[in-house]
Amino acid sequence: EAQVTQNPRYLITVTGKKLTVTCSQNMNHEYMSWYRQDPGLGLRQIYYSMNVEVTDKGDVPEGYKVSRKEKRNFPLILESPSPNQTSLYFCASSLLGGEYGYGYTFGSGTRLTVV
Amino acid sequence: GQQLNQSPQSMFIQEGEDVSMNCTSSSIFNTWLWYKQDPGEGPVLLIALYKAGELTSNGRLTAQFGITRKDSFLNISASIPSDVGIYFCAGPKPYGGATNKLIFGTGTLLAVQP
Repeated sequence: EAQVTQNPRYLITVTGKKLTVTCSQNMNHEYMSWYRQDPGLGLRQIYYSMNVEVTDKGDVPEGYKVSRKEKRNFPLILESPSPNQTSLYFCASSLLGGEYGYGYTFGSGTRLTVV
Repeated sequence: GQQLNQSPQSMFIQEGEDVSMNCTSSSIFNTWLWYKQDPGEGPVLLIALYKAGELTSNGRLTAQFGITRKDSFLNISASIPSDVGIYFCAGPKPYGGATNKLIFGTGTLLAVQP
């Protein structure tokens, strides 16, 4: 089954403790992206990657890092999480980017709480 | 930054009613996408629109690409309880150059009373 898999689904952590949210897709998509979803703000892009070793900042990259060492994986790293990073996070992938009109396939989300 | 404004923010309707929602932007878009997010899940693509004036259907859903290219509309006919969720419009960032970023609207929450 074609899908984007995120782990974990739920995570509670303390301020300053480094964490990684994994994302993997099995569709051989070039393009991958991370979004966060907050009430009233919709989905905002954190980082995206157009292919292996090619990453760039989205609208809200502060406090996050990503890497794209393999085509299928695109982990999101929070080096020193803070409470304002409490949010619902989605990983998405696309065969061609949104600019070409191909919609993204989203993962099921990771609900992160930083206390 | 660039934002897509959706209206209404939320809707509470009776099963069987028709639903209309819209999405507006201050910039021109060349593609409009409509997504639905079920509770506890990621958004799923419903309809994609590629040309001004285009009208596209997917079952009981119909979406239109506005003539001005600054808006889009989604209609749901004869709503059923499983239509519950958040509906997002989205479009590729205008004049984005090499970026493939999708910008998402603020969402419309739909609740359907059986």
